[in-house]
Amino acid sequence: QKEVEQDPGPLSVPEGAIVSLNCTYSNSAFQYFMWYRQYSRKGPELLMYTYSSGNKEDGRFTAQVDKSSKYISLFIRDSQPSDSATYLCAMIFNAGGTSYGKLTFGQGTILTVHP
Amino acid sequence: GAGVSQSPSNKVTEKGKDVELRCDPISGHTALYWYRQSLGQGLEFLIYFQGNSAPDKSGLPSDRFSAERTGGSVSTLTIQRTQQEDSAVYLCASSRQGIQETQYFGPGTRLLVL
Repeated sequence: QKEVEQDPGPLSVPEGAIVSLNCTYSNSAFQYFMWYRQYSRKGPELLMYTYSSGNKEDGRFTAQVDKSSKYISLFIRDSQPSDSATYLCAMIFNAGGTSYGKLTFGQGTILTVHP
Repeated sequence: GAGVSQSPSNKVTEKGKDVELRCDPISGHTALYWYRQSLGQGLEFLIYFQGNSAPDKSGLPSDRFSAERTGGSVSTLTIQRTQQEDSAVYLCASSRQGIQETQYFGPGTRLLVL
């Protein structure tokens, strides 16, 4: 079993739909949570970064973290064709004495938003 | 300002050959990471450099893989005696020091071992 599980999809939605992307994790030592977006043949770019349970909103994007359930989500409202990409969840341990941000990624979900 | 750059963009090599992949981090970033992205395994951590500290090599898959970072800036990932299973996209990222600092990724080097 992988430390971080993410449904690879693919997910196809019409323009304007609300998209929900999810990841589960098994180790409660994960304390920092990120969502990256990766366009074809590009490196991942950071979308959202949270480190506590609850919601964080940025424009059309909302990140949700539930540490008790070890579950994180990314919601995209009013999805656009330009949102078509692979979405990767990523997490960082916060172990005592460790001060760097090695990322553990989910498999990535391929999203297509069609006009 | 310039982002993270990587070279070459693509590399095709024959099984058994050595390859070198280069990463130029964002100026002023002291932390540098190498990751590998493959179809079967997703995106995996390989190695981490922070300033003058000893690198964390815990993600390197075998002793055929090595990396160095000269002068706290440019990094080179070397794969010796390449195997077909080494075919993947090799991504470099850099950040400021600190666990909460954003990692900025380069475009990657696509390696194909024939």
